[in-house]
Amino acid sequence: DTEVTQTPKHLVMGMTNKKSLKCEQHMGHRAMYWYKQKAKKPPELMFVYSYEKLSINESVPSRFSPECPNSSLLNLHLHALQPEDSALYLCASSQIEGAREKLFFGSGTQLSVL
Amino acid sequence: AQSVTQLGSHVSVSEGALVLLRCNYSSSVPPYLFWYVQYPNQGLQLLLKYTSAATLVKGINGFEAEFKKSETSFHLTKPSAHMSDAAEYFCAVSAGENNNDMRFGAGTRLTVKP
Repeated sequence: DTEVTQTPKHLVMGMTNKKSLKCEQHMGHRAMYWYKQKAKKPPELMFVYSYEKLSINESVPSRFSPECPNSSLLNLHLHALQPEDSALYLCASSQIEGAREKLFFGSGTQLSVL
Repeated sequence: AQSVTQLGSHVSVSEGALVLLRCNYSSSVPPYLFWYVQYPNQGLQLLLKYTSAATLVKGINGFEAEFKKSETSFHLTKPSAHMSDAAEYFCAVSAGENNNDMRFGAGTRLTVKP
């Protein structure tokens, strides 16, 4: 299994809603990532988890809350989002956290905030 | 900090023609360089990577790239374009041993004409 699975594929939410994005991999990877990608832009790193511990937080607003319950799962909890948060949210994983490691990406969750 | 610049946000070639996508990098330490491809409504998929071994790197789908330190370049090529190569291509750089701080270029959209 060489896949990173993200659910849901599409999500529409209001600014007062609470929702969660889920990401799962069974490749034994110990580093997992959340990226945000706006249309026609490159992905921007949000969070990195290494061995289930938050390793990097790229100054992301607190309305985004990551969680890594175990080595296979990564969640992104959303609360009180703004319309400008509408984007494709990509999860990725790698064997370990390291500059030479290649990233395996999921297909993303397309989020629309109304 | 490291960065990459992709020259040309949009490249159009005819089917069967040479594909050349340009990427220049900046890094204060020896870099690791990557090319990723993104098809519509998908995550990113690694095409190839340079990690300080051979300077000519061969990847999937007939793509290759050459690391040229003197030119700080890592251009992506394919001898003969196929319709299925139409996608968005991202060059990325990371550096250091333990730091996972990958930076993506702005992307180049490749169009293949019949």
